[in-house]
Amino acid sequence: GAGVSQSPRYKVAKRGQDVALRCDPISGHVSLFWYQQALGQGPEFLTYFQNEAQLDKSGLPSDRFFAERPEGSVSTLKIQRTQQEDSAVYLCASSLLGAGAIREKLFFGSGTQLSVL
Amino acid sequence: AQSVSQHNHHVILSEAASLELGCNYSYGGTVNLFWYVQYPGQHLQLLLKYFSGDPLVKGIKGFEAEFIKSKFSFNLRKPSVQWSDTAEYFCAVNDGGATNKLIFGTGTLLAVQP
Repeated sequence: GAGVSQSPRYKVAKRGQDVALRCDPISGHVSLFWYQQALGQGPEFLTYFQNEAQLDKSGLPSDRFFAERPEGSVSTLKIQRTQQEDSAVYLCASSLLGAGAIREKLFFGSGTQLSVL
Repeated sequence: AQSVSQHNHHVILSEAASLELGCNYSYGGTVNLFWYVQYPGQHLQLLLKYFSGDPLVKGIKGFEAEFIKSKFSFNLRKPSVQWSDTAEYFCAVNDGGATNKLIFGTGTLLAVQP
């Protein structure tokens, strides 16, 4: 597609359920970021992939959060045993080149809004 | 660690008024600075960026921002706002690390009244 696609657009989960959020970056983009945006806050970094390699996962808030990008294209962010504090918009972003290319433009998806009841 | 502060959380202006949104960052090294905008129901998109050179940068839709190193500031300006500028605005800085991840401010919600 023309942009970064995320699905589902909205997800409601009961506390304790596992959820999986999908990101389809722009075709050919090397870099992929996941961000978490809580209500009234700016996006906060979760993790970074360069192709299939997860080079930075320092922002993942707990071991309940897991991300993968097995073939270097589509990425999935999985949250196990969801808690109410996990409620947020999860944003995916991609860029053409790797992390060393600091001037590369970042393209964001529209996000998945997760509500944990 | 780097951080970004946006002083105005909500701003309400009438059309044709001038806009200035404040942004301060805490990082003493070389910085790359950004303003992103999120229109209602849309994804984040880049308004403008500063890497080096002329500290006054111009972006899309008539926006500009001035990098003042001595004040650690990167304020966003527009001489005359339009109703279509209603959106949330985020200031961001590269963290300078290996992945060049962005550190965002908390955002400023701008409402322009016709």
